[in-house]
Amino acid sequence: QITLKESGPTLVKPTQTLTLTCTFSGFSLSTSGVGVGWIRQPPGKALEWLALIYWDDDKRYSPSLKSRLTITKDTSKNQVVLTMTNMDPVDTATYYCAHDRGGWYRGYFDYWGQGTLVTVSS
Amino acid sequence: QSALTQPASVSGSPGQSITISCTGTSSDVGSYNLVSWYQQHPGKAPKLMIYEVSKRPSGVSNRFSGSKSGNTASLTISGLQAEDEADYYCCSYAGSRRVFGGGTKLTVL
Repeated sequence: QITLKESGPTLVKPTQTLTLTCTFSGFSLSTSGVGVGWIRQPPGKALEWLALIYWDDDKRYSPSLKSRLTITKDTSKNQVVLTMTNMDPVDTATYYCAHDRGGWYRGYFDYWGQGTLVTVSS
Repeated sequence: QSALTQPASVSGSPGQSITISCTGTSSDVGSYNLVSWYQQHPGKAPKLMIYEVSKRPSGVSNRFSGSKSGNTASLTISGLQAEDEADYYCCSYAGSRRVFGGGTKLTVL
């Protein structure tokens, strides 16, 4: 059974760096074709893809946010970490991590975490 | 880099069929058979309903089907049920990124 859970601060101040951790079970990030992605959703708005990391350490970022994002994995801990620098109130959103199957050129998000709401405010 | 275009809302009565469109460009939907659809109930995480345009994951009702023509992908729900009331999002591979649609709120009358 695949599960994912996001953790991190619920409140960050403008200009600070956000660090979110996705802890998962039921799969290994050393298995070929497997990835973990981050997607966010501002309150009442649409989903937005942020970043993906794959079993072979291939990393993909949203072009519009690439300069602010870093995604890393710790295979031994079954964790993926996303950092986002220079946070702004417009970054207030629920942040989801999700299991990606099929690799970058075929993938889709088949399992999602419950999400964590991050508010950016001074 | 715009999101895929979906109607803001659609509605239907129980038992009817509805279709939600997802319009992209030749750089995303039109070039790849890599469209997925997600259902999201209020306060819940999205759930995968369709992948690679028309494939259904195990456990998803066969009332849900997907298709694509040109730059537009579609999700059809037949035999509408009250539990289908939710937001629906399409997503496409686009070469250098994954792009989601703006979402469609489905109301079951």
